[in-house]
Formats: sequence, structure tokens, C-alpha cells
Amino acid sequence: AQSVTQLDSQVPVFEEAPVELRCNYSSSVSVYLFWYVQYPNQGLQLLLKYLSGSTLVKGINGFEAEFNKSQTSFHLRKPSVHISDTAEYFCAVRSYNTDKLIFGTGTRLQVFP
Amino acid sequence: NAGVTQTPKFRVLKTGQSMTLLCAQDMNHEYMYWYRQDPGMGLRLIHYSVGEGTTAKGEVPDGYNVSRLKKQNFLLGLESAAPSQTSVYFCASSRSNRNQPQHFGDGTRLSIL
Repeated sequence: AQSVTQLDSQVPVFEEAPVELRCNYSSSVSVYLFWYVQYPNQGLQLLLKYLSGSTLVKGINGFEAEFNKSQTSFHLRKPSVHISDTAEYFCAVRSYNTDKLIFGTGTRLQVFP
Repeated sequence: NAGVTQTPKFRVLKTGQSMTLLCAQDMNHEYMYWYRQDPGMGLRLIHYSVGEGTTAKGEVPDGYNVSRLKKQNFLLGLESAAPSQTSVYFCASSRSNRNQPQHFGDGTRLSIL
């Protein structure tokens, strides 16, 4: 069975500071990895995805994530956050042999001026 | 450019009432999903469909039924609503390849009194 752990439920940060949102996964087979963002009262939007190849993946809005197979992690980073990045971020994993996408419990990023 | 459309956006029900949530997608996607989102629990898969006329159970299927009579529509039914089903419900769709991201609707906020 596959699972996803987002270690931080909330991350407060000041504007223009760097941020890292942590995600660890568990799976007995190879996986596809995704980060989604949810703004208030909206659905989820895809930020970025790792399918194969280069372990550093760049997404929208200046976010990037690094796949680390040995540590089974897929942490999300941004070098300088904006107020508009305030949202909830979800990590998700899908094993090669399943149709189901498993989500973490989410991390609420709050950016202060 | 509608994408995934959910109706209704809000609904209040009394315990024991029934209702159907409608999801429609205009991207010709094969796969469709229903999730529920509860505070601190991320998104949990209720039911999903890998093609017209097919459905399968997800992580939390009890108390819900689904139908996929047309490729573009995926219906979620509550036969006898319970307060524990108070939640925000999201529909998503994707292409059939497992490395494809899911596209989400804006959600239906359902309260059961």
C-alpha cells in the first residue's frame, strides 16, 4: 500500500523569505509524485509533477521540488514567497500499478507581510 | 474553457434525505473521481471510474453510490444522508495514463443537519 506524510500542518513565513514544505511517501513500487495548491474556496490546481528523469522539477509560480528516492521524499521549495502564495499545499503519490492517487493531509502556508 | 464543473456549489440537507451531486467534464477524460475533504484529513477517495459504465470503490465508499452513464458525467449519490457526511466534495478527471495529473472542480459544500 502507498501512503503520503506531510510533516508540517502549518508553515508561517514572512514575505520574500524562502520556504520548504516537506513530503515523504511510502510505496513498494515506483511512483509518480505531484504537488497541488488549493486557494480558499477553490479546487486543487497542479503545481508540478515528477514522472521520471531529472530529480529537480520546476513548476508554476516559481515553485520547484526535488525527488529523493533513497529518502522517499519530494519536498517543495520556493526561494522567495509572496503574500499571494498563502494557500494549502497537498502532496500526492500514485504508484505505477494503481489508478488511485493518494493525498497527504496538507500543509497550510501562511505568508505574512 | 469550463474544465470540471460541479453542481450544486452549496447544499444543506436534513438527516435521512437523499441527493445527487453532479460532475461534468468537457476534456474527454476517461477517468473520473469523487473525493471528500475534511479538516486535517486531506482528500479521501470515495469512488472512481476508469471509463463509461464502470465504477470502483475508493478509500471511503460507505454511504455513497455513483454512476457513470455518460463519459462526461459522474454522479455521486447519498441515499440517506448522515451528519458524518458533512464535508466538501470534489470531483476530478484525468486522462487514462497513470502519469497524468487530475483536474479538479471547485467543490460542493454539503451540510447535513
